[in-house]
Amino acid sequence: DIQLTQSPSFLSASVGDRVTITCRASQGISTYLAWYQQKPGKAPKLLIYAASTLQSGVPSRFSGSGSGTEFTLTISSLQPEDFGTYYCQQLNNFPRTFGQGTKVDIK
Amino acid sequence: QVQLVESGGGVVQPGRSLRLSCVASGFTFSSYAMHWVRQAPGKGLEWVAFISYDGSNKYYAGSVKGRFTISRDDSENTLYLQMNSLRTDDTSVYYCAKEINSISWPNWGQGTLVTVSS
Repeated sequence: DIQLTQSPSFLSASVGDRVTITCRASQGISTYLAWYQQKPGKAPKLLIYAASTLQSGVPSRFSGSGSGTEFTLTISSLQPEDFGTYYCQQLNNFPRTFGQGTKVDIK
Repeated sequence: QVQLVESGGGVVQPGRSLRLSCVASGFTFSSYAMHWVRQAPGKGLEWVAFISYDGSNKYYAGSVKGRFTISRDDSENTLYLQMNSLRTDDTSVYYCAKEINSISWPNWGQGTLVTVSS
């Protein structure tokens, strides 16, 4: 199974900060990677797919990059509504797997 | 607009069975592959099962293989998850999700809670 390791597991940042979350895969997955945001009690929301394609309706302050085994999700200017937990997901192989999550808190 | 609505969750004793449903609307259900994903209380996301658009391919997480069965009824626009031999560690919110072109899951249901407890 492909393991996805996110770092950090938790981050606290101020409004306007640039925030970067990293996701490392245990083997190459090309660009078959997605990023989700989840808020408490809600379903995950797709932000980025194919490593760098912004899902329709998602603010442009979110961006993704990477290929192979290393990927990043960047929020260019953190907004109050960006709190929540962020997950990466690989779609290269079965079983599909998710990272363990990065909880983002607004200072 | 696309809607996915899960149902069938509840409290069940260990060893018993439960069937979850996910009713789809707003798109041509028979054209899309679907997934089940679960999330234990306070934990991360865990993929559970996949079914191809035509039902010909099915894949399962190792933790549920042999106990859970995914199926679909395109005439009813409904996805199912039959869960047998339930264990306490199956306690989770179960989500269904629609896949597009093997690269994105833009639509998820609201989830249904399954609690396995004696």
